[in-house]
Amino acid sequence: GENVEQHPSTLSVQEGDSAVIKCTYSDSASNYFPWYKQELGKGPQLIIDIRSNVGEKKDQRIAVTLNKTAKHFSLHITETQPEDSAVYFCAAVYTGGGNKLTFGTGTQLKVEL
Amino acid sequence: GAVVSQHPSRVICKSGTSVKIECRSLDFQATTMFWYRQFPKQSLMLMATSNEGSKATYEQGVEKDKFLINHASLTLSTLTVTSAHPEDSSFYICSAPWGSSGNTIYFGEGSWLTVV
Repeated sequence: GENVEQHPSTLSVQEGDSAVIKCTYSDSASNYFPWYKQELGKGPQLIIDIRSNVGEKKDQRIAVTLNKTAKHFSLHITETQPEDSAVYFCAAVYTGGGNKLTFGTGTQLKVEL
Repeated sequence: GAVVSQHPSRVICKSGTSVKIECRSLDFQATTMFWYRQFPKQSLMLMATSNEGSKATYEQGVEKDKFLINHASLTLSTLTVTSAHPEDSSFYICSAPWGSSGNTIYFGEGSWLTVV
């Protein structure tokens, strides 16, 4: 089955700096890679996703890159703000196999003033 | 984006009783929904796949008789925790795939269960 590793487990940045979270996956069949933001006591919120036919996707301050050869994908947040503080999860799935997401272990991002 | 709604957001029940959690897809149909459990500071653990009109598919180690799942309509799946015990206290979250290809996956707000 799929295995997703996520690093770092905690990340502290100063407001305005960039934050990068990295994930690797094991199953080369995986073709959909969403990122979720989870605030304390709430369900995960989809913030950006990327499919295997694309190498990079950007949405305002958030971008995701995918390297299929290396089985590696990353989340980039620029100009971080205190409200970006949350736990971020990466995930991978082969959409032809039932849409069962495999999650990374999460990254606690803290944006300090 | 699509919305998945859960109810209740918080529930407290006594040991030995059963509690039902609802997961609804709003403005879209979901033939499949997923139920997760999350312990504090941990990732989401998939419990089962809820299939509209048929039996749920449970992950290894999940007791199907304890966590009853019913997916009676294209917009509603329910998770019933039967004979609840304090160790069942957790954050339960559902998700549903959306879109023409059905693989943009949205999550509900989650339901906090406390068994006393």
